[in-house]
Amino acid sequence: KQEVTQIPAALSVPEGENLVLNCSFTDSAIYNLQWFRQDPGKGLTSLLLIQSSQREQTSGRLNASLDKSSGRSTLYIAASQPGDSATYLCAVRGAGGTSYGKLTFGQGTILTVHP
Amino acid sequence: ETGVTQSPTHLIKTRGQQVTLRCSSQSGHNTVSWYQQALGQGPQFIFQYYREEENGRGNFPPRFSGLQFPNYSSELNVNALELDDSALYLCASSLSPRTEREQFFGPGTRLTVL
Repeated sequence: KQEVTQIPAALSVPEGENLVLNCSFTDSAIYNLQWFRQDPGKGLTSLLLIQSSQREQTSGRLNASLDKSSGRSTLYIAASQPGDSATYLCAVRGAGGTSYGKLTFGQGTILTVHP
Repeated sequence: ETGVTQSPTHLIKTRGQQVTLRCSSQSGHNTVSWYQQALGQGPQFIFQYYREEENGRGNFPPRFSGLQFPNYSSELNVNALELDDSALYLCASSLSPRTEREQFFGPGTRLTVL
């Protein structure tokens, strides 16, 4: 059974800092890994999707890496801003079998960026 | 092109009641997945519907059931509500159930069970 863990559970940083969010998963048989952002009480916004054959993806100030063999991914946020404050969720998509393409999520990292 | 929409936005029910949540998939998407997100937790997969048939199910009891209609919109029904059913219910649609197809999420329905 796939399990996804995110560390830290919460993070508070001053504006302008670079930061790293960590995600680990127990079963390396994944199709891809996705990072989402969730604002309080809202739905999910996809940030980055990394295919299992890729090592990293970049979008603006965000960079996500994937090491499938070790079951780890990191989300790097450069020059953080108060608008980045949200919960960040990591999710993996199982590879074939009975996965149905379902996503298995971590519990999230609550990020607060203060001015 | 409209995105995934869900209704209602919020809902309050009492223990033992039944509830129906609705989801309209993104244009052209024939697959809908439902997730439950309890407070402070990540979303958990409930089930997936493809062409009006259940195509996979997570670890949820039978009182969680669903429907998909010919226009690919979907309903999630929960019978005999329990306090622990209080959560944000998210619907996601995709072009097909194939693993490589990205899922696009709606804004969710917040269910409170008293």
